[in-house]
Amino acid sequence: GENVEQHPSTLSVQEGDSAVIKCTYSDSASNYFPWYKQELGKRPQLIIDIRSNVGEKKDQRIAVTLNKTAKHFSLHITETQPEDSAVYFCAASRSGSGGSYIPTFGRGTSLIVHP
Amino acid sequence: GAVVSQHPSRVICKSGTSVKIECRSLDFQATTMFWYRQFPKKSLMLMATSNEGSKATYEQGVEKDKFLINHASLTLSTLTVTSAHPEDSSFYICSAPGLAAYPSSTDTQYFGPGTRLTVL
Repeated sequence: GENVEQHPSTLSVQEGDSAVIKCTYSDSASNYFPWYKQELGKRPQLIIDIRSNVGEKKDQRIAVTLNKTAKHFSLHITETQPEDSAVYFCAASRSGSGGSYIPTFGRGTSLIVHP
Repeated sequence: GAVVSQHPSRVICKSGTSVKIECRSLDFQATTMFWYRQFPKKSLMLMATSNEGSKATYEQGVEKDKFLINHASLTLSTLTVTSAHPEDSSFYICSAPGLAAYPSSTDTQYFGPGTRLTVL
């Protein structure tokens, strides 16, 4: 089955700095890579995702890059703000018909942005 | 966007009792739902896949007689923790795949708000 490794487990930055979180996956058939943000005691929320036919995707201050050959993908947050502080999870899955695929999550990265 | 609700949000029970947690997709149909368990500062651990109209598929190491799953309709899945013990205390989250509100994305997971279970 799929195995997703995520690093670092904790990331502490100063407000305004950039933050990068990296994930690797093992199943070359995985083709969908979402990133979730989970604030303390709340549900994970999708913040950005990328499919295997795209190498990079950007939405304002967040971007995701994908290297299919190396089987790794990264989340980039620029100009970090204190409200970016949360736990971020990457995931990998095969997008199947009927939407019944099963994502494998990374262990999570606790991002702390200091004002 | 798609919304998934979960009830109750928090429950405290005595050891030996059973607790039922409901997961509902509010504005879309979900033939499949997923149940996760999350320990403090840890990742989401998939417990089982709930399939409407058929038996749930449990992950290795998850006791199906302990964690009963019923997916009776296209919008409701329930997880019952039977004969709960303190070690079952955890944060339980359900999710359902659906069309994402995020531009050009599909097949994303929509999570419920979670249920904090404390077994005394």
